[in-house]
Amino acid sequence: GAVVSQHPSWVICKSGTSVKIECRSLDFQATTMFWYRQFPKQSLMLMATSNEGSKATYEQGVEKDKFLINHASLTLSTLTVTSAHPEDSSFYICSARVQGANSGANVLTFGAGSRLTVL
Amino acid sequence: AQKITQTQPGMFVQEKEAVTLDCTYDTSDQSYGLFWYKQPSSGEMIFLIYQGSYDEQNATEGRYSLNFQKARKSANLVISASQLGDSAMYFCAMSLQGFQKLVFGTGTRLLVSP
Repeated sequence: GAVVSQHPSWVICKSGTSVKIECRSLDFQATTMFWYRQFPKQSLMLMATSNEGSKATYEQGVEKDKFLINHASLTLSTLTVTSAHPEDSSFYICSARVQGANSGANVLTFGAGSRLTVL
Repeated sequence: AQKITQTQPGMFVQEKEAVTLDCTYDTSDQSYGLFWYKQPSSGEMIFLIYQGSYDEQNATEGRYSLNFQKARKSANLVISASQLGDSAMYFCAMSLQGFQKLVFGTGTRLLVSP
């Protein structure tokens, strides 16, 4: 089945630094990827939709300049948390839309997530 | 507005028993999909089962079945013969706009005891 690799799985950084999280589709081309954020004991909230070769579409309330999304190729989308602060500490998960999937069950696949801790 | 509601923050079941996790949804779209995911403590989202809004039969995947009642807008997950490894967080989700968006419920924490 379609596999999405997310890296790093966890990262600790100092306040004020930037952190990049990568989401790669390993055996398929993903023209659309999604980035979610999950606070402890809460649900996943969609942050933005990343489309290959075009600007990401951000959900209401998500700061575009804070969370930079780049989808430069059909297999890679990156999320950069700029000037990170402790309140940005969270679990970030990407998912990819699998084109040509033979059923609704196969259309979306998730990465394993990245746990960010900002000190 | 599109919304997924999971009213059970936590459920407790004994090993080998069946358990039903509730999910109701609200959408004005005619075409949508309903998903259930399992999230263990490691954080990964594990796909369990999918039901399309036009599917007439309830979806089943091994020990998982989805009790889809379209008129009631409910999509409950039934886990038969619970196992200790089923202890995790379970999320119901709805896809909209041709899988362009996935909206999640607040989740239900399931604890399976020996």
